[in-house]
Amino acid sequence: DSGVTQTPKHLITATGQRVTLRCSPRSGDLSVYWYQQSLDQGLQFLIQYYNGEERAKGNILERFSAQQFPDLHSELNLSSLELGDSALYFCASSISGGTFQETQYFGPGTRLLVL
Amino acid sequence: LAKTTQPISMDSYEGQEVNITCSHNNIATNDYITWYQQFPSQGPRFIIQGYKTKVTNEVASLFIPADRKSSTLSLPRVSLSDTAVYYCLVGGTGTASKLTFGTGTRLQVTL
Repeated sequence: DSGVTQTPKHLITATGQRVTLRCSPRSGDLSVYWYQQSLDQGLQFLIQYYNGEERAKGNILERFSAQQFPDLHSELNLSSLELGDSALYFCASSISGGTFQETQYFGPGTRLLVL
Repeated sequence: LAKTTQPISMDSYEGQEVNITCSHNNIATNDYITWYQQFPSQGPRFIIQGYKTKVTNEVASLFIPADRKSSTLSLPRVSLSDTAVYYCLVGGTGTASKLTFGTGTRLQVTL
C-alpha cells in the first residue's frame, strides 16, 4: 500500500459526459501528479500540482483539467469524453516535487471506460 | 527529459539473474536514473535510483558506467512474482520536466 488513495476504482460512462477522478496523496506529500495509461501504452504524464499550484504540464488535453485543494487532495476533471479517453488514470504523490529525482508513490488507479 | 531506450520484452527462468539495460545517450549532468516496476492494473512502484557507479538495495542493483549513457537494472534470482513491466526514467531538477515513462520492458519469468 503506497498510501495514495484514488476514487472511484472503476467508472463507466458515455461519450460526451464529464467525470471527476479524486486522489488523496500520502500524508505529508505536497505534490500530486496525474498520469494516463491506455491499453498497451506507457504512462503519459498529464499534469503536476504542488501545494495547490500547477507545477508542470504534460500531454494534457484541453478537455481535461485538474486542481489541488487546500487539504492537498486533487481532482482530475475529464469532459466531453470520447471513446479514446478510456484508460487507467493514475495519481502519484511526492514530498515536494521540486526535483525530478524524488520518488513518486502511485495510487491504485481509476479505470475509466467510455462507451 | 532525456530520451530512453529499453528492450520491449525479456524472458527468464525462475532463479536466474536478469539484467535490463536502458540507453540514455543525451543524459544531462544533473539527471538521475530511476527504475519503476509495474504489475498489471497497478500503479508503478519505485525500485531503485542512482546517479553514477553502483547502487544496491534489498531488491535490485543499478549499474551506471562512467559516461552515464546507459544503465543496467539487475534483479538477482528472479521469481515468478517479478513478472512485470520495468520502466527506466532519466531526469533532473526543474519544474518543467515532462515525466514520460515510455513503454518499458516487459519481463516474463517462467518455471
